[in-house]
Amino acid sequence: EPEVTQTPSHQVTQMGQEVILRCVPISNHLYFYWYRQILGQKVEFLVSFYNNEISEKSEIFDDQFSVERPDGSNFTLKIRSTKLEDSAMYFCASSEVDIILAYEKLFFGSGTQLSVL
Amino acid sequence: DAKTTQPPSMDCAEGRAANLPCNHSTISGNEYVYWYRQIHSQGPQYIIHGLKNNETNEMASLIITEDRKSSTLILPHATLRDTAVYYCIVSLTSGTYKYIFGTGTRLKVLA
Repeated sequence: EPEVTQTPSHQVTQMGQEVILRCVPISNHLYFYWYRQILGQKVEFLVSFYNNEISEKSEIFDDQFSVERPDGSNFTLKIRSTKLEDSAMYFCASSEVDIILAYEKLFFGSGTQLSVL
Repeated sequence: DAKTTQPPSMDCAEGRAANLPCNHSTISGNEYVYWYRQIHSQGPQYIIHGLKNNETNEMASLIITEDRKSSTLILPHATLRDTAVYYCIVSLTSGTYKYIFGTGTRLKVLA
């Protein structure tokens, strides 16, 4: 079964450093997402991306965050200057949207655990 | 905030049916009910979705009440591998499709 792939699985960085989290969505999907989950807390929406632009973003997704689809396969999340509170598991997802029935199924990757020291 | 309410935890004996309830009393007519689960800290996994009618797939069944204000996810023969946090999510059928996750139900399947 096709799957969403995320790299690296763990990333340790110093506060103030830039990090890039990488994702390879499922190949025929058109909608892409980033979510995050701080240890012991809920899964939180960060941003959705379609047709090479952001379609929606949450309050968490401030100017320190950016997303890019640099080529036809990768989808990246960049955090410009990491803070301690950015430590979390970051999940990439892509979706298969049924245009006629208008529902979607999200397929999530296994996540990147980001630790900011 | 999530538009759903779920019990925080449930236990189920291995081999028995697990019935996980969800209350979504403010659901609107164009919102689907989705169920996902998260095993350990892995990415959430899609289970099933429905709009009005009951649904069944190879993983589970979804029973939606006639007024659509609540639903039940049924795992017909729970196994130890079904131990996970189960999330019930309501989401618009059109628009951004972003999901708002609640705290879910932590299901523990007991041997």
